[in-house]
Amino acid sequence: GAGVSQSPSNKVTEKGKDVELRCDPISGHTALYWYRQSLGQGLEFLIYFQGNSAPDKSGLPSDRFSAERTGGSVSTLTIQRTQQEDSAVYLCASSVGTGHTEAFFGQGTRLTVV
Amino acid sequence: GNSVTQMEGPVTLSEEAFLTINCTYTATGYPSLFWYVQYPGEGLQLLLKATKADDKGSNKGFEATYRKETTSFHLEKGSVQVSDSAVYFCALSDPRSYKLSFGAGTTVTVRA
Repeated sequence: GAGVSQSPSNKVTEKGKDVELRCDPISGHTALYWYRQSLGQGLEFLIYFQGNSAPDKSGLPSDRFSAERTGGSVSTLTIQRTQQEDSAVYLCASSVGTGHTEAFFGQGTRLTVV
Repeated sequence: GNSVTQMEGPVTLSEEAFLTINCTYTATGYPSLFWYVQYPGEGLQLLLKATKADDKGSNKGFEATYRKETTSFHLEKGSVQVSDSAVYFCALSDPRSYKLSFGAGTTVTVRA
């Protein structure tokens, strides 16, 4: 597609429910990133994919968080047994490579846990 | 590890005023430096970048120069407009690390 697409744009869920957030990167971009943007916390790195592999999952806050990427394209971030502190905007980005290359961001998914 | 420190906001300016947002970094390698901007209700987008020392990035009247000696990448604009109201993030990318490390963001409001 023309840009990084994320869905849903907004999600309200009850505490304890599982949620799936989807990211469709720019075609041909091998690198994909998930970030979280919380009020007062800035942008927090969650996980990085190169192709379908995730060499760095160090930013995932707990084992309730997981992510996968299939076909070197679409990625899904899953949060199990959501908690109120999971409320944030989840941003996905992709780039043609790493290092000096620019990352393109999606519009984000605003997750609210009630 | 890599880190970015940028001046805290919020910053409120009048139209046509001069804007500076300070950004300093810590990195073990030779990073690329970026400024991203987030307009109200929109996603993050790249404003400008510089990939090596003394490079100047520029876009939409904004400029920033990669200063290795002071490990800085300050953002400047000579005459701001209301449409420049946004959150600005300084970031770095270390070619050995692949992660983008972001500053905390600076909210800028320009009043007519």
